[in-house]
Amino acid sequence: GAGVSQSPSNKVTEKGKDVELRCDPISGHTALYWYRQRLGQGLEFLIYFQGNSAPDKSGLPSDRFSAERTGESVSTLTIQRTQQEDSAVYLCASSSAPRTAYNEQFFGPGTRLTVL
Amino acid sequence: SQQGEEDPQALSIQEGENATMNCSYKTSINNLQWYRQNSGRGLVHLILIRSNEREKHSGRLRVTLDTSKKSSSLLITASRAADTASYFCATAPKAAGNKLTFGGGTRVLVKP
Repeated sequence: GAGVSQSPSNKVTEKGKDVELRCDPISGHTALYWYRQRLGQGLEFLIYFQGNSAPDKSGLPSDRFSAERTGESVSTLTIQRTQQEDSAVYLCASSSAPRTAYNEQFFGPGTRLTVL
Repeated sequence: SQQGEEDPQALSIQEGENATMNCSYKTSINNLQWYRQNSGRGLVHLILIRSNEREKHSGRLRVTLDTSKKSSSLLITASRAADTASYFCATAPKAAGNKLTFGGGTRVLVKP
């Protein structure tokens, strides 16, 4: 079946503009995650959705970042008033098992965001 | 500092050799997972080892877990050029709900 998809694959924006990143998880996966990966570094957790609610949004770096999920499916990550330090690859993952002992995550290809 | 820290940060080997990388973490975990990333984009899940397991195999991959030392190792045997990638360990800390915490990764180069 289809994997996790993300759009756009690349986004170049000017400092101060808002951007919206989209994630389509694997159908039926109840858990959805957003991560940020700066060049040459590991993944930073941003937010986790279980269904349409976000029990853990502890990784969002500032109030410029927000995310929502509707219909237990698509999620959008919005970054307002982008800054150059927001430049990174934003990765989405989904999981069918909400319990941590079985938490294999399936990743999308990511959106590479460049803020000029 | 990060929950998972990989060692070494970079590894260069010849095709056919074995590659070993290590991961250390700080808190009690439910499980530890290894992922591979090619060309800085999507990650591919390789193997998951639970906290009550000590060793797991999958094809040419062997993972060990030592919870007393809070460390894990990933061994790739008989490496191939296609194994060139970054490898990340990710832990599911017991106190962190369903969140995975990733280390900084080991960049592996397999030379043909």
